[in-house]
Amino acid sequence: DVKVTQSSRYLVKRTGEKVFLECVQDMDHENMFWYRQDPGLGLRLIYFSYDVKMKEKGDIPEGYSVSREKKERFSLILESASTNQTSMYLCASSLSRASANEQFFGPGTRLTVL
Amino acid sequence: AQKITQTQPGMFVQEKEAVTLDCTYDTSDQSYGLFWYKQPSSGEMIFLIYQGSYDEQNATEGRYSLNFQKARKSANLVISASQLGDSAMYFCAMREAGYSGAGSYQLTFGKGTKLSVIP
Repeated sequence: DVKVTQSSRYLVKRTGEKVFLECVQDMDHENMFWYRQDPGLGLRLIYFSYDVKMKEKGDIPEGYSVSREKKERFSLILESASTNQTSMYLCASSLSRASANEQFFGPGTRLTVL
Repeated sequence: AQKITQTQPGMFVQEKEAVTLDCTYDTSDQSYGLFWYKQPSSGEMIFLIYQGSYDEQNATEGRYSLNFQKARKSANLVISASQLGDSAMYFCAMREAGYSGAGSYQLTFGKGTKLSVIP
């Protein structure tokens, strides 16, 4: 089974702090994704990566950056956390060569910025 | 315009009954894929079912089936014989292949439908 893990289930940070959210997958997937989920808005793509050191902006990249130094690990960075970044963050991965390319998700990190 | 529209914010269904969750989509691509995910209260997104735009048969996975009507651009999820464990948020998503490369692996999600199964 595909396993996607995220470093924390719950995180509380203060405004202005630098925040790292880590995601690791164990199935050799090429693609990795970061979403945020807010009530009534569904999932919105922040960034994704299709290969090591490669990244592309999603729909809402402002205030975020990412890092992918190894294939299995994709990090989301909030350079200076703000209260409007309080949200649920979901990481996902997918295999490029699969016919459906379904994304497999981690358990999510609920981030609160005070 | 929204690419994925789920018009039912919340739905109730009696245990053991069937329920249909609506999803309409908007794309000009000929090749695309449609997905349904389930999100229980625990938060994890669980992949349920996939339909490719060129698939002639409606997709089925156990109690889940996808009612794909291409001309109407709808991809409704049908859950047969509802169980209490089916209570969750359900998201419809689409992958377009409008351009090659990494972008073709992105999913666009709808806002979700909250399903509550009543004993």
